Amino acid sequence: GAGVSQSPSNKVTEKGKDVELRCDPISGHTALYWYRQSLGQGLEFLIYFQGNSAPDKSGLPSDRFSAERTGGSVSTLTIQRTQQEDSAVYLCASSLGGASGNTIYFGEGSWLTVV
Amino acid sequence: GENVEQHPSTLSVQEGDSAVIKCTYSDSASNYFPWYKQELGKGPQLIIDIRSNVGEKKDQRIAVTLNKTAKHFSLHITETQPEDSAVYFCAASMRGNEKLTFGTGTRLTIIP
Repeated sequence: GAGVSQSPSNKVTEKGKDVELRCDPISGHTALYWYRQSLGQGLEFLIYFQGNSAPDKSGLPSDRFSAERTGGSVSTLTIQRTQQEDSAVYLCASSLGGASGNTIYFGEGSWLTVV
Repeated sequence: GENVEQHPSTLSVQEGDSAVIKCTYSDSASNYFPWYKQELGKGPQLIIDIRSNVGEKKDQRIAVTLNKTAKHFSLHITETQPEDSAVYFCAASMRGNEKLTFGTGTRLTIIP
């Protein structure tokens, strides 16, 4: 596709269940990011993948959060034992990578509600 | 790490008037400053960006200015239209690191 694709677009889950959110970046983009946006708030950095380098996981809020990027393309963000405070929009983004100043393109987000 | 502050948090202007949103950053190593527009239920979209070797950049009704000494940058929207109503985010990243640090956003409302 032409843009960053995320699925599911909406997810309602029960507290304590695990969820997986998927991101398909723009073809050819080596950099991939996950951000979290709570209702009415700004964008909180979670994790950054660049090519084959070790990911920057400095934004992950707890060890319940993890992410993988397989084959340098699709990424999955996993939240284990979900809590109500995990309710937010999870935004994926991608860029050409390699240096500051490359345009970062966002997907439409996955809206997660934990009940 | 980098810290970006954004003001105001809400802004209402009459259609046709100008809107200005201001951001400050903390790390002098930051060299890239994009602005994103986010409409309800959608992901942020880049509307304009500026790099640290430039003081001002303009694209039709939108302009961004950068003051490296004071570590602040601003978004200017002229001749505002109803479709400009959205949440606007500033961001910054530094040399050698693409990760963006975002401001807290400004909800802009254009009053017809």
